[in-house]
Amino acid sequence: DTAVSQTPKYLVTQMGNDKSIKCEQNLGHDTMYWYKQDSKKFLKIMFSYNNKELIINETVPNRFSPKSPDKAHLNLHINSLELGDSAVYFCASSPDSGDSETQYFGPGTRLLVL
Amino acid sequence: AQSVTQPDIHITVSEGASLELRCNYSYGATPYLFWYVQSPGQGLQLLLKYFSGDTLVQGIKGFEAEFKRSQSSFNLRKPSVHWSDAAEYFCAVRISSNTGKLIFGQGTTLQVKP
Repeated sequence: DTAVSQTPKYLVTQMGNDKSIKCEQNLGHDTMYWYKQDSKKFLKIMFSYNNKELIINETVPNRFSPKSPDKAHLNLHINSLELGDSAVYFCASSPDSGDSETQYFGPGTRLLVL
Repeated sequence: AQSVTQPDIHITVSEGASLELRCNYSYGATPYLFWYVQSPGQGLQLLLKYFSGDTLVQGIKGFEAEFKRSQSSFNLRKPSVHWSDAAEYFCAVRISSNTGKLIFGQGTTLQVKP
């Protein structure tokens, strides 16, 4: 009964590769987010989608491309991976009504680029 | 610009001792405030939140936090710390816009001595 799930949990890859991280939420939420946590544990938002529509796009390199096939899924594709992309990537979701201010986070995907 | 500051990068307390983690924010209006906890290798779990009303809010695991508008603070407290509380604690503010973006502090690492 996992609320927000991410796959894979760990990802080790070489520089220059392309990889995807998947996120799914079964909470019926309308908005989903991607956050990046760097090596100093600083968390920063990257993207947000509401009902499959992009609403936040922070200053993220265009090698990062989010895709939302439906409102329960938000995937993150990264092209031409660089060493600096090594981080923990968190997916989160929130509803549009009710407890709309609260975001619920997934377990994170630990990406290591060698 | 909105910001969140957690002045203490690292705190060590003895098991059974009281705890206070500090959080200051910079935001023009009344923000939505959150505390999240991240256990080692885990995702972010919501401890508590403040939107309006009573400035002392209760959360899970025996935590509470007090919103003080005059000090722009939202400090987290626990009267008696357990070894399992050792984790990373993040204060966050949600700016009241349609984007729902969370701005996080840099985190406080809590170590608990036996």
